[in-house]
Amino acid sequence: DQQVKQNSPSLSVQEGRISILNCDYTNSMFDYFLWYKKYPAEGPTFLISISSIKDKNEDGRFTVFLNKSAKHLSLHIVPSQPGDSAVYFCAASDEQFYFGTGTSLTVIP
Amino acid sequence: EAGVAQSPRYKIIEKRQSVAFWCNPISGHATLYWYQQILGQGPKLLIQFQNNGVVDDSQLPKDRFSAERLKGVDSTLKIQPAKLEDSAVYLCASSSPQGGPYEQYFGPGTRLTVT
Repeated sequence: DQQVKQNSPSLSVQEGRISILNCDYTNSMFDYFLWYKKYPAEGPTFLISISSIKDKNEDGRFTVFLNKSAKHLSLHIVPSQPGDSAVYFCAASDEQFYFGTGTSLTVIP
Repeated sequence: EAGVAQSPRYKIIEKRQSVAFWCNPISGHATLYWYQQILGQGPKLLIQFQNNGVVDDSQLPKDRFSAERLKGVDSTLKIQPAKLEDSAVYLCASSSPQGGPYEQYFGPGTRLTVT
């Protein structure tokens, strides 16, 4: 029973363009959402988060949007850089954390 | 600030053998998590400690998995006996209320292969 879903296993984007990573969830009780970035052979690193009382949170090139009615969140990276190439996991939390399956982003120079 | 340390980084064992993983969280972090990440999937929480007490172990297969966090610092996760389906990366993470309510810091993980 996958409560957090990332339906795109991979995404390729040209350097300088926008990367949009999507995530859907099923549990309306989730009150906090996070994005993690993972390089090979490393653990995930926290990227950005958003509380369910907000619909947008921005940190430099990274912006997370939350649409509670659609149970959907997205991560925008603008402009994309080759160093952004990694696997991105979204996660949602009520009292426990639930992770999506990840989207592998490749930024092409 | 030192990060979350885990050892070993890699382990290969045969099915029915036992294995143990070690985690040293970031100093001062009261909450410690163990996750299992099977290839192609996201991390799945196995157990969460608050200091040396268990907060949530609902997804820990208790017939073969055990974990402890003595003195509220280091933690060990044990599998006994291992099955083929236990092949995964085992991630340890820690968090502190001061770092934001849900910001977890992950270690590099231990990649377990059961043959």
